[in-house]
Amino acid sequence: EVQLLESGGGLLQPGGSLRLSCAASGFTFRNYAMSWVRQTPGKGLEWVSHISSSGESTYYADTVKGRFTVSRDNLKNTLFLEMNSLRAEDTAVYFCAKDSSAYNWYFDLWGRGTPVTVSP
Amino acid sequence: DIVMTQSPDSLPVSLGERATITCKSSLSVLHSSNRKNYLAWYQQKPGQAPKLLIYWASTRQSGVPDRFSGSGSGTDFTLTISSLQAEDVAVYYCLQYYTNSYTFGQGTKLEIK
Repeated sequence: EVQLLESGGGLLQPGGSLRLSCAASGFTFRNYAMSWVRQTPGKGLEWVSHISSSGESTYYADTVKGRFTVSRDNLKNTLFLEMNSLRAEDTAVYFCAKDSSAYNWYFDLWGRGTPVTVSP
Repeated sequence: DIVMTQSPDSLPVSLGERATITCKSSLSVLHSSNRKNYLAWYQQKPGQAPKLLIYWASTRQSGVPDRFSGSGSGTDFTLTISSLQAEDVAVYYCLQYYTNSYTFGQGTKLEIK
């Protein structure tokens, strides 16, 4: 079955760090670019970060640039998001999303998400 | 960044009637090299991940009922549900993937009148 499964979310204080993981299965992970997208409670969707299929190219939303780092392990079919200097406004459900190609195209598969809560 | 603006924010529609959601981008998402519009539509039901409905503005994803259709070009796009079914109640989002900095519309909540 083609699927993405996020993990690593939790509750932490402002200024803290967290590492999210996304395990991919059912497709050739190394052939596809991947993204992280978040959704704040009751709000819409915000793209966070994107990584090329090889991992050589990465892109970030201005709201997380310099604090978040995306990476991938194509041997272990896993996507990561390292989050540092976390703020209350980073509280959201974080989804990993598979690109439909090796390029920056649309997302054709999403995980179920992992919640991150940043609160004193 | 390209700003995506959807309307309306909320849309009550009777079962069996047509539902129309619009999405306007602040810059054209029509790529000159391949004449493709870098615009997708997603459906999100409560507690679930978004589901791809339409890509390249008008191409229906495999398995999506043909009552869903997308149209438009450049900066103005439309998602149409020809005959609303109860299972279509959800929030719908447009997404531009023209730039490396993806942006979503704010969402349109579709409900039964």
